[in-house]
Amino acid sequence: GENVEQHPSTLSVQEGDSAVIKCTYSDSASNYFPWYKQELGKGPQLIIDIRSNVGEKKDQRIAVTLNKTAKHFSLHITETQPEDSAVYFCAAKAGGSYIPTFGRGTSLIVHP
Amino acid sequence: NAGVTQTPKFQVLKTGQSMTLQCAQDMNHEYMSWYRQDPGMGLRLIHYSVGAGITDQGEVPNGYNVSRSTTEDFPLRLLSAAPSQTSVYFCASRLTGGSYEQYFGPGTRLTVT
Repeated sequence: GENVEQHPSTLSVQEGDSAVIKCTYSDSASNYFPWYKQELGKGPQLIIDIRSNVGEKKDQRIAVTLNKTAKHFSLHITETQPEDSAVYFCAAKAGGSYIPTFGRGTSLIVHP
Repeated sequence: NAGVTQTPKFQVLKTGQSMTLQCAQDMNHEYMSWYRQDPGMGLRLIHYSVGAGITDQGEVPNGYNVSRSTTEDFPLRLLSAAPSQTSVYFCASRLTGGSYEQYFGPGTRLTVT
């Protein structure tokens, strides 16, 4: 089955800095790569996703890049703000799968 | 729409007790799934369902039972609780086609003593 590795497990930045979280996946058939944000005491919520026919996608301060050859994808957050502090999960889903496989999560801390 | 709702929010069980975690969604989503979240382990899939009457095992199904008699409800049963089942449990749902976005409930924090 699919295996998703996520790094780092903890990321601490100053407000205004950029943050990058990286994930690798094992199944070359994976074609959907979502990112979820989990605020303290809440369930995860989708913030951005990318499909395998696209190399990059942006939504305001967040962007995701995908390298299919290397089987890795990354989340980029620019101009970080304290409200960006949360746990971020990457995931990968193959075309024949119903449910994506999640990485172990990255705890992002943005210091004011 | 209420989205995905889970009850209870918190529960303490003694080893060997049984209980059911409730999950309901009002978005007419066909797919529903249960995850457990443990520190450093991310979200691990327990069971999932692709429609009423159809369920399948995920990565960590042992000790848990599910059924899906309606589109709206997907309860998770702990048959004989063990301390290893202390965790935060999330239910999620999504549509069959189009967007693959999963909608998560607020979670149930379970402690087994």
